[in-house]
Amino acid sequence: QMQLVESGGGLVKPGGSLRLSCAASGFTFSDYYLGWIRQAPGEGLEWVSYISGSGSAIYYADSVKGRFTISRDNAKNSLYLQMNSLRAEDTAVYYCAGQGIHCTSTSCYQASMGWFDPWGQGTLVTVSS
Amino acid sequence: QSVLTQPPSVSGAPGQRVTISCTGSSSNIGAGYDVHWYQQLPGAAPKLLIYGNINRPSGVPDRFSGSKSGTSASLAITGLQAEDEADYYCQSYDSSLSVVFGGGTKLTVL
Repeated sequence: QMQLVESGGGLVKPGGSLRLSCAASGFTFSDYYLGWIRQAPGEGLEWVSYISGSGSAIYYADSVKGRFTISRDNAKNSLYLQMNSLRAEDTAVYYCAGQGIHCTSTSCYQASMGWFDPWGQGTLVTVSS
Repeated sequence: QSVLTQPPSVSGAPGQRVTISCTGSSSNIGAGYDVHWYQQLPGAAPKLLIYGNINRPSGVPDRFSGSKSGTSASLAITGLQAEDEADYYCQSYDSSLSVVFGGGTKLTVL
């Protein structure tokens, strides 16, 4: 069973940094795109970033470009989000999710422009003085 | 302001049918990118409900269905049940390969 578990959230002052981690299990990690999506308190979902299985393709939302860096360590089955120059508006629950992982009864493959599934349980980041 | 537009709320009585619209533009849904739908129950992580416009993952009841036409997509829920009360989000891509979400729709079962 595919599973994602985030960690690293917490309270940080404006201008500070934080590194989120996402540990994966139950699938061939290096074969698939992964993404980060956040949700501010009481608000909707906002895409943050995604990365290809090899790490060669990376995309960011304009709201975090230049401040956040997504990376992955395929040997450790782990996804990361380095967040610098944090602002109050970055306060949110951060979810990691598999992207375009399409599994049939016999095999799984990467679907392009795919959906997010599975999702982790989320980790809360609070930016406040 | 979300790139994809959804109604903030919809409601229906148990057993009824409701639809949730997701309106985009020629740079996202209208450009041919698939639409995916998620259900988020209170206090929980989002869950995939529909992928590739019309497909249901294993375990999702056939009361949920999706459609897409032009620059819009819709999620229909028939035989409404109390457990369907949740927030629903649509998702697609735009021409820059950025991910776009709708603002979300809160479904209330009366």
